[in-house]
Amino acid sequence: DSGVTQTPKHLITATGQRVTLRCSPRSGDLSVYWYQQSLDQGLQFLIQYYNGEERAKGNILERFSAQQFPDLHSELNLSSLELGDSALYFCASSRLAGDNEQFFGPGTRLTVL
Amino acid sequence: AQKITQTQPGMFVQEKEAVTLDCTYDTSDPSYGLFWYKQPSSGEMIFLIYQGSYDQQNATEGRYSLNFQKARKSANLVISASQLGDSAMYFCAMREGLFQGAQKLVFGQGTRLTINP
Repeated sequence: DSGVTQTPKHLITATGQRVTLRCSPRSGDLSVYWYQQSLDQGLQFLIQYYNGEERAKGNILERFSAQQFPDLHSELNLSSLELGDSALYFCASSRLAGDNEQFFGPGTRLTVL
Repeated sequence: AQKITQTQPGMFVQEKEAVTLDCTYDTSDPSYGLFWYKQPSSGEMIFLIYQGSYDQQNATEGRYSLNFQKARKSANLVISASQLGDSAMYFCAMREGLFQGAQKLVFGQGTRLTINP
């Protein structure tokens, strides 16, 4: 158990819908990262937050947005969902923004029908 | 351009043998880090080992070691005395700009390792 929690574990929804994925980092970790793992794209970095501010951005679609709240939990919002958004979404955390080791949560499996 | 290349989609190894998982990378940044992660069938990502571009010695963590050959841009993972529990997907990843305080990991496609009894 990495100490990073993600909810929900599974999510099934329809095209065009909007969902919110939630992540609670390990106690004391200030940085949160979001990744998408899909069969065709592999594992891709989406976005990083550090102490509430966006720190790095990867291949995140405009339909997707994220934020980190004052209590350091983070949410990833996915809107206008398409079939291709079906994937495993990981959240990871680290104590500082530049730490080498990231601790991954168990992931949220999103299925878009 | 592909930044991390793992050329072995799958590998089969006998229990107790050593195994080497290949990883080559491409970057023009002099400061970078290389990582290996393990993903068992349960799905979680487990950090295994890290090597910084300025590290003089190859990283080791228990049965894991990283064979870092900077000139060849390779960072192979060596698992000694493999165990059945090592069966998993293994990902090589790179982070550029080590001192910029931002983490943007780029992952390879992974190698599925199967340990046979």
